[in-house]
Order: sequence, then C-alpha cells, then structure tokens
Amino acid sequence: AQSVTQLDSHVSVSEGTPVLLRCNYSSSYSPSLFWYVQHPNKGLQLLLKYTSAATLVKGINGFEAEFKKSETSFHLTKPSAHMSDAAEYFCVVTTKGGSQGNLIFGKGTKLSVKP
Amino acid sequence: ETGVTQTPRHLVMGMTNKKSLKCEQHLGHNAMYWYKQSAKKPLELMFVYNFKEQTENNSVPSRFSPECPNSSHLFLHLHTLQPEDSALYLCASSQEAGATTDTQYFGPGTRLTVL
Repeated sequence: AQSVTQLDSHVSVSEGTPVLLRCNYSSSYSPSLFWYVQHPNKGLQLLLKYTSAATLVKGINGFEAEFKKSETSFHLTKPSAHMSDAAEYFCVVTTKGGSQGNLIFGKGTKLSVKP
Repeated sequence: ETGVTQTPRHLVMGMTNKKSLKCEQHLGHNAMYWYKQSAKKPLELMFVYNFKEQTENNSVPSRFSPECPNSSHLFLHLHTLQPEDSALYLCASSQEAGATTDTQYFGPGTRLTVL
C-alpha cells in the first residue's frame, strides 16, 4: 500500500532563510510524487511533481524537491523564504490500482514566515 | 487561475435544505473529482468521474449526490446534511483518472457551513 508522511505539522522560518518541508513516502512500486500549496481560503496549487525523470525537480516560486529512493523521501526546499510563501503544503503520492482517484495526501505542513 | 472554477465560493445551509455545488473545468480534461477538506484531517476523496462515468464512490453518504452531465461540468447535490458535513469542498480535474503520472488541477473550493 502507498502512504505519505509529512514529518512536521508546522514549520516557522524567518524571511530570507531557507525552507525545508519534510516528506517520506511508502510505495511498493515507483511512484509519482507531488507537492501542492494551499493559501488561506484557496484551492490547491501544484508546486512541482516527480514522475521518474530527473530526481531533482524544480517547481514554481523557487521551490524544488529531491526524490531520494534510498531514503524514501521527497523533501521540499527553497533557498530563501518570502512572506508570500506562508501557506499550507501537501505532499502527495500516487496509488496504483484500486482507487481511480490515485492520489494520497499527507496531512499538510503549515509554513509560517516571520518578518 | 488553474482553469477549474467552483460556485458558490461560500454556502450556508440548514439541515433540511437542498443545494448544489457546481464545478467547471476549461482544460479539456476527461476526469473530474470531488474532495472534502475538513479541519485537521487529510484531504478525502469523495467521487471520481472518468469520461462522464462514475468510477469511484469512496463510501460517501447518500445525502451527497454527484452528477456529471459532460466532461467539463460536475455537480454535487446536497440534501439533509449534518453539521459535521461543514467543510471545504474541492473539485479537481485531470487528463484521465488512474494514470500514475496524471496531474490533478484544483478549483478554489466551496466553503460549506451546515447549521
């Protein structure tokens, strides 16, 4: 079975400092992995996705994530946080077979950015 | 803008009311989804439609009734809801349900409050 664990429910950083949001996954096959962002009272926006091509994936707004199979991780990073990055971030893994909805969402990490 | 619109954005209804949520996608996709997002819970898949056919009902109570008249439109009909049904209801679309590399694009959601 596939699953995804976001290791921190809340991360707080200062503006201009690096961001690290951690995600571990479990999958019995080579999964696709996504990061979505949700700003308050908004829908989910795709930040980036990994689909078995390059292991370092670059997304929008300066975010990137690295797929590490040996560590079953897909952590999201950004070199320098901006106030507008404050939002909730969801790590998502695909399922295979069974659910046609095929996405399993983590519980989310709320990112706060201090001035 | 992701190309997925939802109306209304906010809805307050009593437990005896009947209302409908509407979702429209302008991306030429063939799959559409309803999700429920409650506080402190992971995103829950409710229904999946692929080429207008319902392919998944994730044990959703019958007081929620989906309708997909064509690949661009999706409705969620609501009747005799409970206060615990208050949540953000998100619609998403993708090229085709079930493909592991498929990317879902989300609408802004409808914030539903059941009194």
